[in-house]
Amino acid sequence: KNEVEQSPQNLTAQEGEFITINCSYSVGISALHWLQQHPGGGIVSLFMLSSGKKKHGRLIATINIQEKHSSLHITASHPRDSAVYICAVRGSNYQLIWGAGTKLIIKP
Amino acid sequence: EAGVTQFPSHSVIEKGQTVTLRCDPISGHDNLYWYRRVMGKEIKFLLHFVKESKQDESGMPNNRFLAERTGGTYSTLKVQPAELEDSGVYFCASSRAGMNTEAFFGQGTRLTVV
Repeated sequence: KNEVEQSPQNLTAQEGEFITINCSYSVGISALHWLQQHPGGGIVSLFMLSSGKKKHGRLIATINIQEKHSSLHITASHPRDSAVYICAVRGSNYQLIWGAGTKLIIKP
Repeated sequence: EAGVTQFPSHSVIEKGQTVTLRCDPISGHDNLYWYRRVMGKEIKFLLHFVKESKQDESGMPNNRFLAERTGGTYSTLKVQPAELEDSGVYFCASSRAGMNTEAFFGQGTRLTVV
């Protein structure tokens, strides 16, 4: 079992829908990252969280340290949001431990 | 500000050959990381530099992999000799000094060993 589990693995939704991607982890962390990878492209950091909630545009990330769980939400989803969303955690060292990613497709 | 750049973007080599991947971090970023995704697996940590020093190379798969960071600027990752299982996408990231500073990623190098 991976130390970082994401769900769902794949998600297809219609434009405008509210999207939630979940991440659970089993190790102690100093920070949790949400990242985005477009097809054929590099990785972009969306959020780095150690507590609470962060918002950037239509993206919201929350973390519950006690429950070792984080969620990434997308409001008013758009086809350009289609990408792989990856959760990664940083423990007591500098290494990032990565989830498998969630492939999101938003249909017009 | 230029981002993290990686060269080449794609490389196809034969088993047994040598390949060198290069990463140019953002200027002023002390931390430089190499990660790898092999087919169907999660991205895995390879190693971490702080300036020119290797801080953690616990993720390096074996001694066929050699990473350097000359003068604390760009980094190279050499695979010699390459094996089929080395195929994957190699990502580089850099960040300012400190542990939980924002990391910026390169576009990755897709390595195919045939």
